[in-house]
Amino acid sequence: KAGVTQTPRYLIKTRGQQVTLSCSPISGHRSVSWYQQTPGQGLQFLFEYFSETQRNKGNFPGRFSGRQFSNSRSEMNVSTLELGDSALYLCASSPETGRNSPLHFGNGTRLTVT
Amino acid sequence: GENVEQHPSTLSVQEGDSAVIKCTYSDSASNYFPWYKQELGKRPQLIIDIRSNVGEKKDQRIAVTLNKTAKHFSLHITETQPEDSAVYFCAATRDTGRRALTFGSGTRLQVQP
Repeated sequence: KAGVTQTPRYLIKTRGQQVTLSCSPISGHRSVSWYQQTPGQGLQFLFEYFSETQRNKGNFPGRFSGRQFSNSRSEMNVSTLELGDSALYLCASSPETGRNSPLHFGNGTRLTVT
Repeated sequence: GENVEQHPSTLSVQEGDSAVIKCTYSDSASNYFPWYKQELGKRPQLIIDIRSNVGEKKDQRIAVTLNKTAKHFSLHITETQPEDSAVYFCAATRDTGRRALTFGSGTRLQVQP
């Protein structure tokens, strides 16, 4: 099975711009979660989508949003970029059913805001 | 919300020695505690996890212990090898779907050959 695929791998944007990141989950996985990883704050939960609905949300401003499509692929969008948004954005997928369904992470998209 | 503290931030051991990483959590309702290993430039990968109804779990050279009363859990790696060198993250959640994880700050483990 192919793993979680995130595109693009690297992205450079300017303050004030907006950006869209994409994630394709493992085949058959219906839940997609997004995390932000920075040296200062570590790994922080952004949100989780299942069946095209946001099911859980972390403590991030409204500039961070996401969506999920009927094929379970997900995108996250950051508007009005700030320097502090520079981070590795990780997507993780998991099956819906079963209590023993750990997160499977992708390789991430490294976003640099200048 | 949940808060997870992880210690130490760096750990250097000789090959063959044991390594122990400790985490404490604040939310007594947390019921799932995974550990992830992240090698440089790579994705975090689950290495072991434990649920709150279990006190200890082992998988070959790796074990995790959980003390619900004290709200802390630990990762034990025995007979360390150079390929164990990585950053290790603990996490906790009360989320029944186990997806909204609160992570610790990470421990950089260096195994010296």
